[in-house]
Amino acid sequence: ETGVTQSPTHLIKTRGQQVTLRCSSQSGHNTVSWYQQALGQGPQFIFQYYREEENGRGNFPPRFSGLQFPNYSSELNVNALELDDSALYLCASSFGFNYEQYFGPGTRLTVT
Amino acid sequence: QQQVKQSPQSLIVQKGGISIINCAYENTAFDYFPWYQQFPGKGPALLIAIRPDVSEKKEGRFTISFNKSAKQFSLHIMDSQPGDSATYFCAATGGRDDKIIFGKGTRLHILP
Repeated sequence: ETGVTQSPTHLIKTRGQQVTLRCSSQSGHNTVSWYQQALGQGPQFIFQYYREEENGRGNFPPRFSGLQFPNYSSELNVNALELDDSALYLCASSFGFNYEQYFGPGTRLTVT
Repeated sequence: QQQVKQSPQSLIVQKGGISIINCAYENTAFDYFPWYQQFPGKGPALLIAIRPDVSEKKEGRFTISFNKSAKQFSLHIMDSQPGDSATYFCAATGGRDDKIIFGKGTRLHILP
């Protein structure tokens, strides 16, 4: 059984640019949630995808968007990057609405 | 705004001692309360979780105590070891979108 994987590990972007982060869910899981974790803070929910449909969204602007593919992997896209977008972006997978979510190692995004 | 309040922000415990982290929540719709452990550079890992129909759950050295009437829950780590040094997050969730609301975290350091 493979765990949740994310790519890339680290990323440096310039303000105004766009970025795509990727996540492969744990084997057997069909639900992916994305979180943003600022330094020294707890993760904050961005949105969740279930069977390729968005199933809930946190307090993030529309420039944060996502996709889920038929194999349940997922992408997080952020447009018009701002300095405050610098954070660890975490992906978590689960089976349906089972509350047990398993996190990947995250992608560290730095916006300069 | 749904919140989970966590204390203390940091904690230093001698090896072999008991580490205690406390959390309080507001939303009575929450029905699942997980604790996550996070090491530097890693994603959060599910440690132990409880539902409000029980007052205590124990797994090895880790115990959750839950007080539904006070809307409080706590994590006890018995016989704390240097390898337990990490950041611990309490969390709460409930509802269809499985949005996990995290506390701000407790940095635990176990002295050898």
